Amino acid sequence: GENVEQHPSTLSVQEGDSAVIKCTYSDSASNYFPWYKQELGKRPQLIIDIRSNVGEKKDQRIAVTLNKTAKHFSLHITETQPEDSAVYFCAARGKTGANNLFFGTGTRLTVIP
Amino acid sequence: DAGITQSPRHKVTETGTPVTLRCHQTENHRYMYWYRQDPGHGLRLIHYSYGVKDTDKGEVSDGYSVSRSKTEDFLLTLESATSSQTSVYFCAISAGEGEKLFFGSGTQLSVL
Repeated sequence: GENVEQHPSTLSVQEGDSAVIKCTYSDSASNYFPWYKQELGKRPQLIIDIRSNVGEKKDQRIAVTLNKTAKHFSLHITETQPEDSAVYFCAARGKTGANNLFFGTGTRLTVIP
Repeated sequence: DAGITQSPRHKVTETGTPVTLRCHQTENHRYMYWYRQDPGHGLRLIHYSYGVKDTDKGEVSDGYSVSRSKTEDFLLTLESATSSQTSVYFCAISAGEGEKLFFGSGTQLSVL
């Protein structure tokens, strides 16, 4: 199956700075890459996703980039705010017909006011 | 938030007892999933369903069974709970194959 690695496991940034979280995947057939944000004691919530036919996608302060050749994708958060503090998970889904999303182990982001 | 309800929200049980967790959706989505979340492992798929009475195994299915008799309900059963099944269990739904996945609020299960 797919293997997704996520780095760093913890990240602290000053409010207003940018944060970058990186993931690599092993299955070259993977074609869908979502990012989830999970606040303490809450459900994972989808914040942005990208498909393999697109190299970059933005939504206000967050963006995701995908490098299919290198098999890695990244989450970028600009102008970080305290409410961005949470655990972020990347995931990858394999070829059509495979319904499993394989998740990374998470990054705990702390935004220091 | 997607219309997904998990019950119970918290459960404490003893080793060897059967446990059933319920997921109920009001979105009429075809696909339903059970994941478990453990520190250091992220979220891992246990079983999923692609229609009434249609289910398949995920990557950590040993010790678990599922049933889906109605579109809106997906049950996860631990036939004989073990301490290694202490975890947070999340139900998720998606409208179709390859579509976005939305999670329920989770069930904290402790097996003593």
